[in-house]
Amino acid sequence: GQSLEQPSEVTAVEGAIVQINCTYQTSGFYGLSWYQQHDGGAPTFLSYNGLDGLEETGRFSSFLSRSDSYGYLLLQELQMKDSASYFCAVYSGGYQKVTFGTGTKLQVIP
Amino acid sequence: DSGVTQTPKHLITATGQRVTLRCSPRSGDLSVYWYQQSLDQGLQFLIQYYNGEERAKGNILERFSAQQFPDLHSELNLSSLELGDSALYFCASSVGAGAENTEAFFGQGTRLTVV
Repeated sequence: GQSLEQPSEVTAVEGAIVQINCTYQTSGFYGLSWYQQHDGGAPTFLSYNGLDGLEETGRFSSFLSRSDSYGYLLLQELQMKDSASYFCAVYSGGYQKVTFGTGTKLQVIP
Repeated sequence: DSGVTQTPKHLITATGQRVTLRCSPRSGDLSVYWYQQSLDQGLQFLIQYYNGEERAKGNILERFSAQQFPDLHSELNLSSLELGDSALYFCASSVGAGAENTEAFFGQGTRLTVV
């Protein structure tokens, strides 16, 4: 089967850096994505890692280690608007089977 | 606006009933995905269609079915509804079906309440 683990809640201070981890167990792993979802809103795509290493997009970076079955999302210079849930999603199988984690609720405090 | 349109936005129905949720993907996207999100839960992948054909299946109940039509819009049919089916149902679309096309665009969801 497939499983993903990520922390359920994280609190961080405005302007700081926060890292949200995701560990996974799956067969036929393709890659790892991150999505952001504000309360009552639709998930929006943040990043995708198909290869080991760091992908940077503005204040957000995502990292993947295939050998460790581990990835993380790094948010820098936190802003209040970053308060949201963050989901990691694992792609596997020949037809892009996707499994989402249960999400990490990030609260940014002043 | 992601370009993905879902209707209706809200739906209230009684147990045992059947409903149909509709999704229009972004222009040019061939893949459509359906997800279920229960209160304070993660996203459960239900099913994926690519260019009219079922491509991948997740945790979709036998009471649920979906299809993608020639114009690429998709419908999710939920039957014999139970209270536990109350959830937010999201549709997402992407250009292709392979792992290289991983950016999916989500609609605003249909909130289904079963009473």
